[in-house]
Amino acid sequence: DTGVSQNPRHKITKRGQNVTFRCDPISEHNRLYWYRQTLGQGPEFLTYFQNEAQLEKSRLLSDRFSAERPKGSFSTLEIQRTEQGDSAMYLCASTLWRGDGTEAFFGQGTRLTVV
Amino acid sequence: SQKIEQNSEALNIQEGKTATLTCNYTNYSPAYLQWYRQDPGRGPVFLLLIRENEKEKRKERLKVTFDTTLKQSLFHITASQPADSATYLCALAPYNKLIFGAGTRLAVHP
Repeated sequence: DTGVSQNPRHKITKRGQNVTFRCDPISEHNRLYWYRQTLGQGPEFLTYFQNEAQLEKSRLLSDRFSAERPKGSFSTLEIQRTEQGDSAMYLCASTLWRGDGTEAFFGQGTRLTVV
Repeated sequence: SQKIEQNSEALNIQEGKTATLTCNYTNYSPAYLQWYRQDPGRGPVFLLLIRENEKEKRKERLKVTFDTTLKQSLFHITASQPADSATYLCALAPYNKLIFGAGTRLAVHP
């Protein structure tokens, strides 16, 4: 296993277009997180899954954002009608959650630029 | 809501000195706290986890302390090297979701 994989690494899109990102977690990991990060800030929590169930979605997250994790394996994050403010690095992380603290493994991120 | 605060200003130190970074939190009593390193353009990488019943934890040149009374964790890098230059993030898991502070950028000068 080579770790958490995110695709694409970079995405440039025009305002108003829809984009979809993919995250492939470490295979035995049951929990998957999505974060957004802008310059000079820490990763901002967006949503997370336990297996295929989406357990929480940030209240700051617009209805234009949706995430799925079918069959509890890979996950997709879709942004509809993109806006310039959506430009950021989108990070995915996975962990083997056993009810206490375990380290999260991050992918390299997808950098989105909305023009 | 839970809040995590880290020094927003960059920390500049001389090679060989000890770097000390601070993480303060409010409105929460975590069972554990994590520290991550992030290099530009890359995802964070896990460094250390410390639990509430542990006062101190060490890993090679890294040392973390956890004071649940002060609601503070200190992260130390001893004998710092230019390769230690990066952003260091503090993370907590209130209600089982992992949230991060803004991070502190460390620059170690030769």
